[in-house]
Amino acid sequence: DVKVTQSSRYLVKRTGEKVFLECVQDMDHENMFWYRQDPGLGLRLIYFSYDVKMKEKGDIPEGYSVSREKKERFSLILESASTNQTSMYLCASSPSGAGEWELPDTQYFGPGTRLTVL
Amino acid sequence: SQKIEQNSEALNIQEGKTATLTCNYTNYSPAYLQWYRQDPGRGPVFLLLIRENEKEKRKERLKVTFDTTLKQSLFHITASQPADSATYLCALDLFSGGYNKLIFGAGTRLAVHP
Repeated sequence: DVKVTQSSRYLVKRTGEKVFLECVQDMDHENMFWYRQDPGLGLRLIYFSYDVKMKEKGDIPEGYSVSREKKERFSLILESASTNQTSMYLCASSPSGAGEWELPDTQYFGPGTRLTVL
Repeated sequence: SQKIEQNSEALNIQEGKTATLTCNYTNYSPAYLQWYRQDPGRGPVFLLLIRENEKEKRKERLKVTFDTTLKQSLFHITASQPADSATYLCALDLFSGGYNKLIFGAGTRLAVHP
């Protein structure tokens, strides 16, 4: 069974704090993704990675950075948290290889981290 | 720009009936479409994938159709049960910047009443 775990289910931080959200997958997937989910807006892609040490900006990367030092771990960093970053953060992984000619496979999601920035 | 629309209103149906959820898209030609289920406070779980050259796909009580002319997918749950109550998301692939990504709709909440 594919398992994607996230470091915290709930997190409360103050404005200006640096926040780390960790994601780990145990199925040797090449691809990993960070989304945020807000009511009425659906899932929006923040950053993704198709390989170790590789990262690509998604649709809403501003205010975020990522790190992928190991294949199984993908971290999302909020350099200076702001109230508009209060959201549900979802990590996902998928097993397909990198390459523009390959269709990505289905994505496996973690349970999510509900982040509140006060 | 690309747009995916799912009915934002919750769908309420009686147990045993067929639930039908709609996913419409514009300015898009996806190679495939996926449906996910999401329970409150949890991450989405993959249900079905249908490719552009497939008209219909089935899995147990689930059926998905994909009409590339209408730019629409329908997701059916037959003989619905209260346990089917959840939010259902559709997702389409987008090739951009050299990579394929998934674009998700906002989801439709389904409530099945006993």
